[in-house]
Amino acid sequence: SQTIHQWPATLVQPVGSPLSLECTVEGTSNPNLYWYRQAAGRGLQLLFYSVGIGQISSEVPQNLSASRPQDRQFILSSKKLLLSDSGFYLCAWSDQGNTEAFFGQGTRLTVV
Amino acid sequence: RKEVEQDPGPFNVPEGATVAFNCTYSNSASQSFFWYRQDCRKEPKLLMSVYSSGNEDGRFTAQLNRASQYISLLIRDSKLSDSATYLCVVLMDSSYKLIFGSGTRLLVRP
Repeated sequence: SQTIHQWPATLVQPVGSPLSLECTVEGTSNPNLYWYRQAAGRGLQLLFYSVGIGQISSEVPQNLSASRPQDRQFILSSKKLLLSDSGFYLCAWSDQGNTEAFFGQGTRLTVV
Repeated sequence: RKEVEQDPGPFNVPEGATVAFNCTYSNSASQSFFWYRQDCRKEPKLLMSVYSSGNEDGRFTAQLNRASQYISLLIRDSKLSDSATYLCVVLMDSSYKLIFGSGTRLLVRP
């Protein structure tokens, strides 16, 4: 069966520090991969999505970037965090085709 | 205009009530539709897919109206455990871009 791993679960980082969040999927190949951010009490904002290795689509211009170095690995990064980067970061995967997405347990990031 | 819009809620209903949520989407080329449920401080989880012919899963019924670009979710005989935020989700055309509505919060009271 397919599983998705996302870590860490919580993170507290100072303003200006770098960020790297990793997400990996097991049990499938060539998945679509997604990064979302959810601010407190708000909806899910799509940040990046990828339909294949090295293919990244960016939805919101900001100081975040994403990479997909391997088929089932999706990384969210920042060189310098801002206070506004605080939020609940969620990684998700879906099969190619018009199928539903499944989420990791999320990373709760607090920038201080 | 947002790509996916939902009633903001919260909906506060007694146990046993029937409640309906609505959702509209702006891109007529959207291909697939889903309802997700999100509990507080947890990741969203798939509740059900939405098919053109409408579909039912126990107390939950989803409807799709492509002409009006409208999706609905009906919950019958509400339970306390149904309290959560319900997210309408649209898969955009052939890009695999998955867009979430901002969610509708449901509170079921005893």
